[in-house]
Amino acid sequence: SQQGEEDPQALSIQEGENATMNCSYKTSINNLQWYRQNSGRGLVHLILIRSNEREKHSGRLRVTLDTSKKSSSLLITASRAADTASYFCATDAAGANSKLTFGKGITLSVRP
Amino acid sequence: GAVVSQHPSRVICKSGTSVKIECRSLDFQATTMFWYRQFPKQSLMLMATSNEGSKATYEQGVEKDKFLINHASLTLSTLTVTSAHPEDSSFYICSAMAPGETQYFGPGTRLLVL
Repeated sequence: SQQGEEDPQALSIQEGENATMNCSYKTSINNLQWYRQNSGRGLVHLILIRSNEREKHSGRLRVTLDTSKKSSSLLITASRAADTASYFCATDAAGANSKLTFGKGITLSVRP
Repeated sequence: GAVVSQHPSRVICKSGTSVKIECRSLDFQATTMFWYRQFPKQSLMLMATSNEGSKATYEQGVEKDKFLINHASLTLSTLTVTSAHPEDSSFYICSAMAPGETQYFGPGTRLLVL
């Protein structure tokens, strides 16, 4: 079964609104990472949160991690049209030799 | 941040031919490189893990004789899709990692097999 399941699968918001995306996983992890992918392009690393961290900020991004619930959330504040992309969470499972397992992804559309 | 390149970015080939994709870490030495495949509107699926100087480790269900991986140096790994068929058409993405670091992803290679 696939580690890393995001919800919602698709999200459409108005520019300026906040976007919250969730990710759940199944096994113990070393860290969890969020990536962005524009259509047909490679991945852009957004943020990494380690298993002993609960919250992390980077610019307009805020990531939380709840290891007891095996879940994470990515919040993008004051969204912009340029934030339109697919977002993936990826887990680095404990004992997996740094292999990442990606979730199915969330398609975010920010309407101008 | 670290830069990873892939070449070519796009390739169209006839069924039955072989295609080689290169992945390079431009400003760091990558002891480990990973190859992923992504079908349209789907997530990335890990195909194999490649360590410099040793044989690649393939994920379950990935044919090692069809997807040949060579990691001859600390900055270059190649993926060769042998006898490509239309079902091999996909977006292939590599990532490179130095010890203790995160994975840095290449821009991807879109393969279309006619």
